[in-house]
Amino acid sequence: GESVGLHLPTLSVQEGDNSIINCAYSNSASDYFIWYKQESGKGPQFIIDIRSNMDKRQGQRVTVLLNKTVKHLSLQIAATQPGDSAVYFCAELPPLGGKLIFGQGTELSVKP
Amino acid sequence: DVKVTQSSRYLVKRTGEKVFLECVQDMDHENMFWYRQDPGLGLRLIYFSYDVKMKEKGDIPEGYSVSREKKERFSLILESASTNQTSMYLCASSPNHGGSGAEYEQYFGPGTRLTVT
Repeated sequence: GESVGLHLPTLSVQEGDNSIINCAYSNSASDYFIWYKQESGKGPQFIIDIRSNMDKRQGQRVTVLLNKTVKHLSLQIAATQPGDSAVYFCAELPPLGGKLIFGQGTELSVKP
Repeated sequence: DVKVTQSSRYLVKRTGEKVFLECVQDMDHENMFWYRQDPGLGLRLIYFSYDVKMKEKGDIPEGYSVSREKKERFSLILESASTNQTSMYLCASSPNHGGSGAEYEQYFGPGTRLTVT
């Protein structure tokens, strides 16, 4: 039978609204962070990254904010479109040769 | 653009079969990775490689082996497939920036959904 796994957090937004997706990371010494987008049936796609010496970085329609005090990362998507519907997850890179640590992800659903 | 390709999108194998999953990247990246992705468990690292003929165990290497004979190709091998290896398998590659060994961003392939019956 089908296995029952944990449900991902879900964010549902109206087309055209702004979306904010949050991520709590684990290692206070991590010095590099990435946001990935994964559409159904596809591999994760790099969206944007940020280093720990920055607290904000902007891309095309996306902004990543880093709050090292509370180990929190957020991804803001402006004017969300149906094509933005996907699972979004963050990844952190610990120092000294550590491996990327991936978050569980948030499922973004955009209503037309 | 970086391109990471995987040999199959969908694969169905029987218990006990030997399974080969192939991954090729075209950007001359030093680092390559194999993950499996399961609901509720996220991405889990199986094996990785920093260079040709070099391999390191990840978090869940049991039941798997890998081969990297050429820089662009990283193969994942299931010696004797079992039903608990039914999963989505993702390959990724990344460059070494400045020779520091740091991985930074990883580029993923489209994934292979393996079903073991």
